[in-house]
Amino acid sequence: GDSVTQMEGPVTLSEEAFLTINCTYTATGYPSLFWYVQYPGEGLQLLLKATKADDKGSNKGFEATYRKETTSFHLEKGSVQVSDSAVYFCALSDRATGNQFYFGTGTSLTVIP
Amino acid sequence: GAVVSQHPSRVICKSGTSVKIECRSLDFQATTMFWYRQFPKQSLMLMATSNEGSKATYEQGVEKDKFLINHASLTLSTLTVTSAHPEDSSFYICSAERGRQETQYFGPGTRLLVL
Repeated sequence: GDSVTQMEGPVTLSEEAFLTINCTYTATGYPSLFWYVQYPGEGLQLLLKATKADDKGSNKGFEATYRKETTSFHLEKGSVQVSDSAVYFCALSDRATGNQFYFGTGTSLTVIP
Repeated sequence: GAVVSQHPSRVICKSGTSVKIECRSLDFQATTMFWYRQFPKQSLMLMATSNEGSKATYEQGVEKDKFLINHASLTLSTLTVTSAHPEDSSFYICSAERGRQETQYFGPGTRLLVL
């Protein structure tokens, strides 16, 4: 079945450091891939998405490229800020399974000044 | 962007009582809404898929008689936790799908504490 495997945290970085959070997936069909962010005490917010192979999603300095050959969708940011501290979830949606969402376990990021 | 609201944001209730949580899509019509449960420091677990005008589809292991879902209109779905017990304490999050865009828009969540 479909699944998402996400790099375990927690991750602690200094401000302006480079961020990578790894995400790989398995899917029956041709899924769309997402990164969601959850700030403390809040719900999930869509950060970026990619709907087909080689697509790059980007938002607020974050990027992720849909790599079909490696079944990956790693999240990157060149220079993190304290305000980026949150939990990041990788997810996929697969039409083959009725657009059901599958989430990774989440990666907690803390950025220190 | 698409906005989904949930009400209440936080609720505390006594064991044995029922609690209703509302999920509304404020600026779009959602034929499908989803209910998730999130335990502390864990990922979201899909509980059920709610389609307007039809019965909800529950995931394996979720008691449909305990978690009643009603999707009465294209902008409102409700989750009722019946005869709540302390183990039902959790963070409940809904999401709504706009058309067939495959993007789900999430509500801010409802934190339920059962004493």
